[in-house]
Amino acid sequence: NAGVTQTPKFRVLKTGQSMTLLCAQDMNHEYMYWYRQDPGMGLRLIHYSVGEGTTAKGEVPDGYNVSRLKKQNFLLGLESAAPSQTSVYFCASRLTGQSNQPQHFGDGTRLSIL
Amino acid sequence: AQSVTQLGSHVSVSEGALVLLRCNYSSSVPPYLFWYVQYPNQGLQLLLKYTSAATLVKGINGFEAEFKKSETSFHLTKPSAHMSDAAEYFCAVSGGSTLGRLYFGRGTQLTVWP
Repeated sequence: NAGVTQTPKFRVLKTGQSMTLLCAQDMNHEYMYWYRQDPGMGLRLIHYSVGEGTTAKGEVPDGYNVSRLKKQNFLLGLESAAPSQTSVYFCASRLTGQSNQPQHFGDGTRLSIL
Repeated sequence: AQSVTQLGSHVSVSEGALVLLRCNYSSSVPPYLFWYVQYPNQGLQLLLKYTSAATLVKGINGFEAEFKKSETSFHLTKPSAHMSDAAEYFCAVSGGSTLGRLYFGRGTQLTVWP
């Protein structure tokens, strides 16, 4: 009963390095989301996808890219990491876009940029 | 547009006391409302959701919330706090869009004293 799995759980990068965060869900959900969580800020939406092969920008997309080549996977990329991207990143999925459905969250990736 | 305001970033109660976490929403359409809980170093877990079926919603772990349209509120309560309730709680609103976006409040950290 995996649900939403995020890889890796922790990572430390140097400024300018690149990396990819992986999100995998086994619930056959159409919609997937990437959020970042910073103290006192709640969760802010970075990018989202409404289905395989689609992506769209959320409220804080700058410095990030995403891909959804397979329905079950949603990748978040940092091309050139900056200290401002130090955060906890959460992936979520939802069966469809119906507003009465909850989102299901992974356990997060804690990313530090030095 | 939707938004959520959580009044009080920190709430402290004694074990056995009433828990009241406040959430007010703004929505131009009938909202769907959610409460999530986040335990340390974990992802967000759904506590309960309001989807217009009943104004008093019961969730897991003895929590409940009441939807009050006239007050645009969806406060979370629990009659008797337990040490294990210590966590961060997020209120979120959705609605009016097929994108399935959730708009989160900034969170309320609940501390339970023995």
